[in-house]
Order: sequence, then C-alpha cells, then structure tokens
Amino acid sequence: KQEVTQIPAALSVPEGENLVLNCSFTDSAIYNLQWFRQDPGKGLTSLLLIQSSQREQTSGRLNASLDKSSGRSTLYIAASQPGDSATYLCAVGSARQLTFGSGTQLTVLP
Amino acid sequence: DAGVIQSPRHEVTEMGQEVTLRCKPISGHNSLFWYRQTMMRGLELLIYFNNNVPIDDSGMPEDRFSAKMPNASFSTLKIQPSEPRDSAVYFCASSLGGAGRNYGYTFGSGTRLTVV
Repeated sequence: KQEVTQIPAALSVPEGENLVLNCSFTDSAIYNLQWFRQDPGKGLTSLLLIQSSQREQTSGRLNASLDKSSGRSTLYIAASQPGDSATYLCAVGSARQLTFGSGTQLTVLP
Repeated sequence: DAGVIQSPRHEVTEMGQEVTLRCKPISGHNSLFWYRQTMMRGLELLIYFNNNVPIDDSGMPEDRFSAKMPNASFSTLKIQPSEPRDSAVYFCASSLGGAGRNYGYTFGSGTRLTVV
C-alpha cells in the first residue's frame, strides 16, 4: 500500500525567502506525482503535475522535482510571498487513485 | 470549461436523514473519483469510476454509502442513514485516463457536510 509523507508538517518563513517542501513515497511504481495547494475552507488547486518519465516541472516561481528511485519529490518556491500561505499537498498517482500526503501548512510572514 | 462542479457547497442535516451529494465532471474526462477529507484522516479515496463503471469502491466506509454514475456527466454519492461521524468535506475529482495512465486530476470545490 502506497504511503506518502510530507515534511515539515508546518513551516513559517519571512517574505522573500526561498523554501523547499518535501514529499516521500514508499512505492516507486507510480504514474505521476501532483502538487496541490489548498486554502482554508477551499478546494484543491493543482500546481504542478510530473509524469513518471519526467524529472521536474516548473511554473512561475514553483519548481517540482521527482526522483522515483529514491521515492522523493520536492516543491521549491522562490521568493515567497504572503499570498503563498496555504497548505501544500503532495499526491502520488497510480492506475486507480491519487494517494495524498498529510500536507505542509505554509505561512509566509510579511 | 467550468471545471468540476459539485453541489451543494454546504449541507447540514440531522442524524438518520438521507444525504445526496452531486458532481458534474469535466466534459471529456472518463475517470471520476470521490474523496473525503477530515482532520484526522486527511484525504481518502472512497470510490473510482472509469467510463461510468465503478472500478474500485474499497474505500467506501460501509453500506450506508453508495455512489452512482448514470452517465458521463453526472455522479452522486448518497449516505443513508447519515451519522455525525460522516461529517467531512467530500470532494469529487475527474481525470482523463484510466487504468494504466492519467493526466492529472481536477478537483471540485467540495461539499462540506455536517451531520448533527
């Protein structure tokens, strides 16, 4: 059974700092990995999708990497802003479902 | 496209009542998923449909829960009778793909269910 772990559970940084969120998974037989953002009381917004054959994806200030062999992914956020404050969820895709980590709650202080 | 549409956004019901949650997936997507989110357990898959057929319902907690997908543009999740422990946010997601591959998931805004 796939297990997904996200570290740290919570992170507080000053505005402008570059930061890295970590995700690890136990079964490397994945199809893809997806990073989501969830604001309090809201739904999930897809940020980046990395297929299993890819090593990284970039969108604006966000960069996600994938190392299948080691079961790890990182989400890099450059020049963080208060508007980046949210919970970030890592989800590993198999044939039949996404398995989610418990998320990292990010607070960017002005 | 308007994305994945869920209704209602909020539902408050009394214990023992029937609750029906609704979902309209993105047009052209052939896979549909129902997830439940709670503080204690995070996001859990309840059921997965591919081409309107239920493929995996092992996450459905008990017989009080049922889901249907009568056509490619509509799905329901029903709880009968509802219990306070069913209180959670229920998300519907759709994807283009199926067994063997998918192209990422798009989630609806969720239905916040409170059973009193």
